Amino acid sequence: EPEVTQTPSHQVTQMGQEVILRCVPISNHLYFYWYRQILGQKVEFLVSFYNNEISEKSEIFDDQFSVERPDGSNFTLKIRSTKLEDSAMYFCASKTGGGTDTQYFGPGTRLTVL
Amino acid sequence: GESVGLHLPTLSVQEGDNSIINCAYSNSASDYFIWYKQESGKGPQFIIDIRSNMDKRQGQRVTVLLNKTVKHLSLQIAATQPGDSAVYFCAEDVDSSYKLIFGSGTRLLVRP
Repeated sequence: EPEVTQTPSHQVTQMGQEVILRCVPISNHLYFYWYRQILGQKVEFLVSFYNNEISEKSEIFDDQFSVERPDGSNFTLKIRSTKLEDSAMYFCASKTGGGTDTQYFGPGTRLTVL
Repeated sequence: GESVGLHLPTLSVQEGDNSIINCAYSNSASDYFIWYKQESGKGPQFIIDIRSNMDKRQGQRVTVLLNKTVKHLSLQIAATQPGDSAVYFCAEDVDSSYKLIFGSGTRLLVRP
C-alpha cells in the first residue's frame, strides 16, 4: 500500500540554523500539505500546495517558512532560522484531488531546536 | 469562528466493551469529517470519514455518526481491543478548503 514517507525521523538543530524537512507524497497525489504538532497538542495546519504553488497558509507559516517541490517526487519544508518554539512534530500529508478526498499523513519528523 | 473540539481528553474502557468518542464542531460550512488515530510517535492514521450529506457510516468495527443539527460527530468502536489504545482526533474540512482543522484529541485507554 502506498505511503507518505518523511526524512529524517528526528532532526536536532541549533537555534538560528536552517532546516529542511523532506517528504515523498504518494505518487499519484496532487495536493500536498504540511502540519505540525507541538508535544501534547493538536495537529495544526501550516500550508497546502497544489500545481506548484501555495494554495493556503496559516498564520504560523510566516516568512521563515517556505515549501518547494524540487522534482516530481519530493516536497520540502524549509525553516530559515529556527526558533525554540519551532520544536514540534512536522507531518506531511497528501491527497489525490481537490474537494473531499482523504489526506494521508506521513510518520512525521521530530524537530528539536536547542 | 472555525473550531473543532473534543468533549473528553481521556477515555478508559474495558477490553471488549464498546467505545464512543465525541467531537463538536462549530462551522456549519464543514462538509467532510475524518477520524484519525494517532499512536505514540506516529503520524495520524485514517480510520473513517463521512460527508455532510450522510448521518452514519460504518467500517470494520467502527461507526461514525454525524448530527448536523447540533454539530456533533462521534466515533464508535465495537469490541475495543488493546491495539485500539491511541489518541483519536476528529478533523473537519471546511467547504472543501485546502486544509483540515483538527480537534484537541481524546486518549483512549483499553484496560485488559
